[in-house]
Amino acid sequence: AQSVTQPDIHITVSEGASLELRCNYSYGATPYLFWYVQSPGQGLQLLLKYFSGDTLVQGIKGFEAEFKRSQSSFNLRKPSVHWSDAAEYFCAVGATEGGKLIFGQGTELSVKP
Amino acid sequence: GAGVSQSPSNKVTEKGKDVELRCDPISGHTALYWYRQSLGQGLEFLIYFQGNSAPDKSGLPSDRFSAERTGGSVSTLTIQRTQQEDSAVYLCASSLGQGSDTQYFGPGTRLTVL
Repeated sequence: AQSVTQPDIHITVSEGASLELRCNYSYGATPYLFWYVQSPGQGLQLLLKYFSGDTLVQGIKGFEAEFKRSQSSFNLRKPSVHWSDAAEYFCAVGATEGGKLIFGQGTELSVKP
Repeated sequence: GAGVSQSPSNKVTEKGKDVELRCDPISGHTALYWYRQSLGQGLEFLIYFQGNSAPDKSGLPSDRFSAERTGGSVSTLTIQRTQQEDSAVYLCASSLGQGSDTQYFGPGTRLTVL
């Protein structure tokens, strides 16, 4: 069965520091992979997605992610974090059947001044 | 353009009552999804509509949950005889099609069952 694991429940980084959020997936074929962000009281906003081609994908707000098939990973990165990046981040895989998304448990990001 | 809208934004109900949650997808989007977000279970898929095809109901947790989509647009999620464990945020999303198409999420309806 398809699944997504985000090993880090909560991460704290200093403003201006680099960030990497981990995501591992279990899937039988080439997956569709997504990163969404959810700010408090808000819906989910797509940061970036991968479905084919270049394994390094660029997203909004300066985020990027790299698809590594050999490691079944799709880690999210940002070179310099801003206080406004504090939010919860969800990695998701698009299921084979239909278009439903299977989400990881989420990583809450806190940013220290 | 307008995004996905959901109503009500908050709903408080008593155990045993029925509730209806509404979703208005982005115009022209053929696919519509319902998800549930709760502290214990994270984000779970509930049901998926694609055009005129039969909906994928594989994520509905019990037969107290049902959903319909009228005219290929607005969708209503109904929970009958609500239980306290139904308390969660119910999120609706729509997309142009399926697969790699981006799902755009609404702000959600927070349901509290007393």
